[in-house]
Formats: sequence, C-alpha cells, structure tokens
Amino acid sequence: GAVVSQHPSWVICKSGTSVKIECRSLDFQATTMFWYRQFPKQSLMLMATSNEGSKATYEQGVEKDKFLINHASLTLSTLTVTSAHPEDSSFYICSARDLVRANTGELFFGEGSRLTVL
Amino acid sequence: GENVEQHPSTLSVQEGDSAVIKCTYSDSASNYFPWYKQELGKRPQLIIDIRSNVGEKKDQRIAVTLNKTAKHFSLHITETQPEDSAVYFCAARREQGAQKLVFGQGTRLTINP
Repeated sequence: GAVVSQHPSWVICKSGTSVKIECRSLDFQATTMFWYRQFPKQSLMLMATSNEGSKATYEQGVEKDKFLINHASLTLSTLTVTSAHPEDSSFYICSARDLVRANTGELFFGEGSRLTVL
Repeated sequence: GENVEQHPSTLSVQEGDSAVIKCTYSDSASNYFPWYKQELGKRPQLIIDIRSNVGEKKDQRIAVTLNKTAKHFSLHITETQPEDSAVYFCAARREQGAQKLVFGQGTRLTINP
C-alpha cells in the first residue's frame, strides 16, 4: 500500500521556539495532504488542508500564522509550529490520498509527531 | 460543515462476544465512510470503509452498515479477540469538493479475556 512518512516522530522544544514537521509520500504523489492534531484520549481534529503549489486552507479556529504549512512538491508537505507554547503540545498527524488510486477513497496516515513544549 | 457523532465513548466486551459502535453524520452530501483503528501512540489504520451506494459491507469478522436516510452507520465486530482492543474512529467525507475527512470522537474498545 501507499506509504506516508512523517518526521520527526517526537520532539521536545523550549517555549518560544519553532518546530518543523515533515510529511512525505514515499511511493505516490499527493496534490493534497491533510494535517490533524490529536490531544490525549481525543479525536483527530483537522487543522488544515495542504495544497501543492498553493496556500493551505485552514479550519476555523486554527491560526494560520502560528501553524505554517508549505506544500512545495507533490511528495512533501511541512508544518511549522511557530513560537510554540505548552498548549501546543500534541500529537500531529499528516495524511494523503494517492492520486492514482483516488477512487479507493483511502487516506494514508503518517506515523505522527509527538510535540512536547516545555 | 460536517459533524460526526460517535457512541459509545468506551465499550468493554467479553472475548468472543460482538461489539457494535455507532455513528451519525450531519452532511447529507457525505458519501464515503471509513472506520479506523488506532493503537496507543500509533497512526490510524483503515479497517473497513463503505460508500453511500451500498448498505452493508463485510470483511471477515468486521462489518459496516449504512443507513443514508437516517444518516447513521455502524461498525460490527464479531467473535472479538484481545487484539481487537484499541480506539476506533468513524469518519465521513464527501468524495467531491474539499474531500476533508471528519472524525467521530472515538470509542475505546476493551476485550476482556
């Protein structure tokens, strides 16, 4: 099946610093990737839709200046948490659809990145 | 936008018994309904999905039913095993347009030996 790789799998940073998370589709191309955030024992909440070559579409309540998304190629999307604070600590997961197998409807998820802000 | 409600939030069943998780959705235009299984600290894994042109789909011990008129769908796991213990999420999406997947709140399923 299609593989989505996310890096880093976990990161600890100091409050006020910025952290970049990468999401790569390893064996397929993805014009669209989705970024989710998951707090402990809660559901996956969609943060934004990342579109290759254009601006991301953010969900209501998500600060676009704080969560910068770049989708520069068909296989890579990045999420940068700027000026991170403890309340940003969460599990961030990206996902993508395989264009060729788009009719299957399946979303493939990355391994997730656990961010801890001290 | 779409809103997906999932019940129950926790479910405990004896090994070998069946488990049923139910979801409702609000967007009548949604036509793709996947179910994901997530183990602690891991990525969600698709276990079964259904489209609005069918009412039921089965894959070994797992089945999903869809009532499009009532806008609800359910996951059925039969002959449960300890390895079925995990958090299960339902989701809904339109196949056209934004195609963003909206998740239910999740159900923590525990299979008791």
